[in-house]
Amino acid sequence: DAGVTQSPTHLIKTRGQHVTLRCSPISGHKSVSWYQQVLGQGPQFIFQYYEKEERGRGNFPDRFSARQFPNYSSELNVNALLLGDSALYLCASGLSGVYNEQFFGPGTRLTVL
Amino acid sequence: EDKVVQSPLSLVVHEGDTVTLNCSYEVTNFRSLLWYKQEKKAPTFLFMLTSSGIEKKSGRLSSILDKKELFSILNITATQTGDSAVYLCAVEARRRNNNAGNMLTFGGGTRLMVKP
Repeated sequence: DAGVTQSPTHLIKTRGQHVTLRCSPISGHKSVSWYQQVLGQGPQFIFQYYEKEERGRGNFPDRFSARQFPNYSSELNVNALLLGDSALYLCASGLSGVYNEQFFGPGTRLTVL
Repeated sequence: EDKVVQSPLSLVVHEGDTVTLNCSYEVTNFRSLLWYKQEKKAPTFLFMLTSSGIEKKSGRLSSILDKKELFSILNITATQTGDSAVYLCAVEARRRNNNAGNMLTFGGGTRLMVKP
């Protein structure tokens, strides 16, 4: 079985642009969570979606938004990119919204110049 | 604001040593504490703790939670070079806004290096 997949693997953008990151969960998983991990720090929780509804939201500005599609894949959108948005963006999927059952994808490395 | 602090920041040991990693937290509406191992990119789940004083064990790894003193430890015995990784602690808590669900707060991690 394929694990959690994320695309793209790497991305370079400039300040002010917007970006869309994609995540495909493990087959059968209905929950997707997004995290931002700045180099040398632990991940920061951005969003959790379960059955296409937002179940949790971290302390991120409104420039960050996400959605989950009927096939349970998810997109994370970031508008008006700042240099500080440079990070590894991790997606995790799970059968339910319980965090101990979630599996992480390999991440998307975003660099903002 | 919820806070999770891990110590030490980094640790270098030799194979066969025993290590103890610490995680302290200050959160409102605590639900659970989780430990992850991150070797390259994707963290992998180790333990989920919800009750005080009950040790969770998996092979050479074990963990325990103290909800009164607000901390957890992760022990690794007979360390091997394959244990080299960043170990992350995260606390799940219900957000103050009841409609906003739960969220995870991660600590900064402990970088463990095991030398042969």
